[in-house]
Amino acid sequence: EAQVTQNPRYLITVTGKKLTVTCSQNMNHEYMSWYRQDPGLGLRQIYYSMNVEVTDKGDVPEGYKVSRKEKRNFPLILESPSPNQTSLYFCASSSSGTTYEQYFGPGTRLTVT
Amino acid sequence: AQKITQTQPGMFVQEKEAVTLDCTYDTSDQSYGLFWYKQPSSGEMIFLIYQGSYDEQNATEGRYSLNFQKARKSANLVISASQLGDSAMYFCAMREPYNQGGKLIFGQGTELSVKP
Repeated sequence: EAQVTQNPRYLITVTGKKLTVTCSQNMNHEYMSWYRQDPGLGLRQIYYSMNVEVTDKGDVPEGYKVSRKEKRNFPLILESPSPNQTSLYFCASSSSGTTYEQYFGPGTRLTVT
Repeated sequence: AQKITQTQPGMFVQEKEAVTLDCTYDTSDQSYGLFWYKQPSSGEMIFLIYQGSYDEQNATEGRYSLNFQKARKSANLVISASQLGDSAMYFCAMREPYNQGGKLIFGQGTELSVKP
């Protein structure tokens, strides 16, 4: 089954404790992206990657890191989480190009206390 | 820059009836794609349907169809024979040009409630 998987689905953590949210897709997509969704602010892109070893900042990259060492994986790293990073996070992937839909993972609900 | 506008914050529809969710967009690009996503209360983001700017026919996908009016820059989602499971948030979106990053630009969303 074609899918994007994310882990963990739910996470409660404390300020400053490094964490990684994993993302993997099995559709051989070149493009992968991270979004966060917050009430009243909608979905905002954090980082994206157009291929292996090619990553770039989205609209809200502060406090996050990413890497793309393999085509299928695109982990999101929070080196020192803060309460303002409490959010619903989505990983998405697609084929290259403007007219291709992005497929989303199931989301990760992160709470930072 | 691209912009998506959804002017209906919330809508109600009776089960088994059809409903139209409005979406207007703004772009200066000639080639673009429009997307609709569904987000149920469980939170996942589900792709529903896609319309390309050069597609001559309106897209359809099961009970979903897209009423695409290019001159009016509108891409309304029509859900036929509504079901209780259709109750969710619906987002219209388009992608930024790929050479500018390719992110999805979403509208504010419409919350659809299906009444039994």
